[in-house]
Amino acid sequence: ETGVTQTPRHLVMGMTNKKSLKCEQHLGHNAMYWYKQSAKKPLELMFVYSLEERVENNSVPSRFSPECPNSSHLFLHLHTLQPEDSALYLCASSQVLENTIYFGEGSWLTVV
Amino acid sequence: EDQVTQSPEALRLQEGESSSLNCSYTVSGLRGLFWYRQDPGKGPEFLFTLYSAGEEKEKERLKATLTKKESFLHITAPKPEDSATYLCAVQYGSGFGNEKLTFGTGTRLTIIP
Repeated sequence: ETGVTQTPRHLVMGMTNKKSLKCEQHLGHNAMYWYKQSAKKPLELMFVYSLEERVENNSVPSRFSPECPNSSHLFLHLHTLQPEDSALYLCASSQVLENTIYFGEGSWLTVV
Repeated sequence: EDQVTQSPEALRLQEGESSSLNCSYTVSGLRGLFWYRQDPGKGPEFLFTLYSAGEEKEKERLKATLTKKESFLHITAPKPEDSATYLCAVQYGSGFGNEKLTFGTGTRLTIIP
């Protein structure tokens, strides 16, 4: 069982829909991340939360909206997405001041 | 420009045929180099962290090494279950709160029985 759990694993949504991705970590970490993985491209960091505060937002379009209610949970709210947003969205966690981050299994998003 | 480059892009080996994957980097202030394994449709699984040139880490058939410019992931006598994409990531930055983690595009390894 992975220490970082993501739901749903697969999501198909229309461009006018609103949906959310959920992430929960069971590792006692205090930093959480959203990454986007597209074919043939490196992982792209989207958002970082450290001690429940957003510390990085890498020029991500406003149609992606993160939420971190506590150190164990992270959400990515999605609205009016574009087909090019179809990708694998990965949640990860780490301990602040420690280097290694641990990933969840990912949520496959298809925008139609 | 800070970069992480992995080669080859894809590698096919016969079972038992040893080889190496390369990760070269051009960053300032290296704080750590990470190797991950990713199976199709799944998230990356952590393998190793290397912090300084000359450091080596081993796990089963895998051995990671680090120099000032590159890292190698050596795979000895691989088995079909070693087939996966191997990702390299580099963490760098000048101090607390300024660390960046940059990933390469990965090497897709296929071990043929």
